[in-house]
Amino acid sequence: QKEVEQDPGPLSVPEGAIVSLNCTYSNSAFQYFMWYRQYSRKGPELLMYTYSSGNKEDGRFTAQVDKSSKYISLFIRDSQPSDSATYLCAMSEGGGADGLTFGKGTHLIIQP
Amino acid sequence: DSGVTQTPKHLITATGQRVTLRCSPRSGDLSVYWYQQSLDQGLQFLIQYYNGEERAKGNILERFSAQQFPDLHSELNLSSLELGDSALYFCASSGYTSYEQYFGPGTRLTVT
Repeated sequence: QKEVEQDPGPLSVPEGAIVSLNCTYSNSAFQYFMWYRQYSRKGPELLMYTYSSGNKEDGRFTAQVDKSSKYISLFIRDSQPSDSATYLCAMSEGGGADGLTFGKGTHLIIQP
Repeated sequence: DSGVTQTPKHLITATGQRVTLRCSPRSGDLSVYWYQQSLDQGLQFLIQYYNGEERAKGNILERFSAQQFPDLHSELNLSSLELGDSALYFCASSGYTSYEQYFGPGTRLTVT
């Protein structure tokens, strides 16, 4: 079992829909949970990070973490064609001395 | 633009050769991370340097090595290259904490 599982998709939805992207993980030591967006052949772009369990909202994006279930989600409201990209979840134990553990990414397509 | 720069953008070389990838972190960031992204493995953490010192190691092969210089730029050296080393190599930087990492545009390495 991989440390972080993420459905690769593709996930195709119409413009304006609410998108739900998810990851599950096995390492209970993870404390920080990140979402990155990656356009084709570009570097990952940090969208938001969350510490421990709870919700965090930033514009059209909402991140949720449920540590008891080892399950994290990213919701995108009013999706736009420009949101079409690969979304990567990432996790860290924190503390300053570790790299991020990534899911393999979900390819999202927003149809105009 | 994340503020992290990487050179070169593309590199084509033959098996058995040695290459050096270069990264300059965002202004003020002391930590540099190296990641490898391939289709089958996803984004994998290789190594972290903080202010010139190695801080954490991930799935880095013995044929690979890195260093961080006094001006905080970093180099990743890949030697005895194999076809399987063909991948995107990303550099990221952060402040003291490891969870808020900003990625560069990457170097695409092709080994023929």
